[in-house]
Amino acid sequence: GENVEQHPSTLSVQEGDSAVIKCTYSDSASNYFPWYKQELGKRPQLIIDIRSNVGEKKDQRIAVTLNKTAKHFSLHITETQPEDSAVYFCAVNTNAGKSTFGDGTTLTVKP
Amino acid sequence: DTGVSQDPRHKITKRGQNVTFRCDPISEHNRLYWYRQTLGQGPEFLTYFQNEAQLEKSRLLSDRFSAERPKGSFSTLEIQRTEQGDSAMYLCASSRAGVASGANVLTFGAGSRLTVL
Repeated sequence: GENVEQHPSTLSVQEGDSAVIKCTYSDSASNYFPWYKQELGKRPQLIIDIRSNVGEKKDQRIAVTLNKTAKHFSLHITETQPEDSAVYFCAVNTNAGKSTFGDGTTLTVKP
Repeated sequence: DTGVSQDPRHKITKRGQNVTFRCDPISEHNRLYWYRQTLGQGPEFLTYFQNEAQLEKSRLLSDRFSAERPKGSFSTLEIQRTEQGDSAMYLCASSRAGVASGANVLTFGAGSRLTVL
């Protein structure tokens, strides 16, 4: 089955700095790569996603890059703010159905 | 339609008892997923349905776990003879199938937190 590895497990940055979280996957048939943000005690919520026919996607301060050859993708958050503090999960999906999640990155943005 | 609803939000039970969780997905979504999440971990896939058909079940899932989606709308997840290791947050999510924009985007419910004493 699919294996998703996410790094780092914890990340602490100063407000205004950038944060980068990386995920690698094993199944070359994977074609959909979402990122979820989960605040303490709340449900995971989609923040950005990318499909395999695109190399990069940007939405305001967040961006995702995908390297299908190397089977890795990354989440980039620029100009971080304290409200960006949360756990971030990458996931990998094929059209066949289920998403497989990484183990999460706890991001702390220090004011 | 206000999103994915789960009930109950919290369940405390004694070891050996059976519990059942219910999930009502977004009405236009034909896929429904069950995940389990423990502290410090990502959601772990349990099973998913497309309409009323259960298409995949995790090999890690014990025979004590069963899920149904009888009419392709709401779903139930039952855990029989609960064990302390079953304590977790049980998340339901729904999505549209296909390749069009928005397909396979999971919308999660708030979860049902199970505590087995």
